[in-house]
Amino acid sequence: QVQLQESGPGLVKPSQTLSLTCTVSGASITSGSYYWTWIRQPAGKGLEWLGHIYTGGTTKFNPSLWSRVTISLHTSNNQVSLKLTSVTAADSAIYYCARADLFADDNAVPNHWGPGTLVTVSS
Amino acid sequence: SYELTQPPSVSVSPGQTAMITCSGDALPKKYAYWYQQRSGQAPLLVIYEDTKRPSGIPERFSGSTSGTMATLTISGVQVEDEADYYCYSTDRIGDERVFGGGTKLAVL
Repeated sequence: QVQLQESGPGLVKPSQTLSLTCTVSGASITSGSYYWTWIRQPAGKGLEWLGHIYTGGTTKFNPSLWSRVTISLHTSNNQVSLKLTSVTAADSAIYYCARADLFADDNAVPNHWGPGTLVTVSS
Repeated sequence: SYELTQPPSVSVSPGQTAMITCSGDALPKKYAYWYQQRSGQAPLLVIYEDTKRPSGIPERFSGSTSGTMATLTISGVQVEDEADYYCYSTDRIGDERVFGGGTKLAVL
């Protein structure tokens, strides 16, 4: 069974780059038709889809964030990374990585989630 | 940008039926998916493709759709069902993926 674990700094200064890693076990990030996805949730608020990367390497991002977001595959460590540039306090949230499965109508639906990691943006 | 609209909260007594709605212009053409998120936990998929239940999800969870509205129904609500529920879908062309704002289910 696939398992995901997010990791990275819990505190990031404003204007800097937030960098997180998702370590995947129980499956290869380059096998199958899956989409490795990042989602975030500010404290007390709802879920926001940030973007995903296909096992083949193609990416898609939330239009509201696309210019600041990068998602990459790191095959040697079986990890997926997220980089978010020029952060502000509004980027403080729990960040989840998830594996999205392809359902009918070609929708990539997050179906296996990590526990999430809290990131606070503050000086 | 595309939006899915949910009521902020729904309250029911144990044993009653809870209905949580999700409204979106593309729902007549795109499937709705539903997640349960208990406090302090990651979301769990409870309904996929409008009406289907993943294995391990109790039969009291069901989904339906009519026009631009999808509905998650929980029959015979139990105290353990108290959680936030989110719908998820895409815009008409399948380009923008969004979650609804979430509905807090209180079991009083």
